[in-house]
Amino acid sequence: AQKVTQAQTEISVVEKEDVTLDCVYETRDTTYYLFWYKQPPSGELVFLIRRNSFDEQNEISGRYSWNFQKSTSSFNFTITASQVVDSAVYFCALKVNRDDKIIFGKGTRLHILP
Amino acid sequence: KAGVTQTPRYLIKTRGQQVTLSCSPISGHRSVSWYQQTPGQGLQFLFEYFSETQRNKGNFPGRFSGRQFSNSRSEMNVSTLELGDSALYLCASSLASDYTGELFFGEGSRLTVL
Repeated sequence: AQKVTQAQTEISVVEKEDVTLDCVYETRDTTYYLFWYKQPPSGELVFLIRRNSFDEQNEISGRYSWNFQKSTSSFNFTITASQVVDSAVYFCALKVNRDDKIIFGKGTRLHILP
Repeated sequence: KAGVTQTPRYLIKTRGQQVTLSCSPISGHRSVSWYQQTPGQGLQFLFEYFSETQRNKGNFPGRFSGRQFSNSRSEMNVSTLELGDSALYLCASSLASDYTGELFFGEGSRLTVL
């Protein structure tokens, strides 16, 4: 069975600090996709990134970076120089190739304090 | 390009009643999926439709049903409402049915059952 664990339920940091959101996944499939979504107070989930299981290259997009490590089944998300607008709930998600649904973690609520 | 539109945004029902929620996907998107979000269970997959066919269904009782119309608009229905059905119901659309791409979410319909 597939599973996504986001052990951090809530994190608070002061603006401009760096923060890392952890994501650990479980699957026996060799082909799968990992995602991160952001849910601001308005409610809609906003897609941030997708990674497939054959691409372990880390990615940086502005202040956001993702570290994918198959050896530890982790797909962590780091926000550098955090801003108040980064306050949201962040979800890590997994989809295996042979299934049509995405499994979401429980989410991490991030508070960026001014 | 208009995003995913969900109506109504908020509604209050009493136990035993039924409710219908609507979702209009992004133009050109043929896949629509529904998720239930609660504080305790997080985001749980309800079902997914592609070209008017239900392709996948989550572990929810038969009281939860849905359909998709020829214009890709989708509705979900919950009959005989229970207090535990209080949740944010999110709809997501995508171009393809394989879920390897980006999902576009609506802002959700927040249902309160009294």
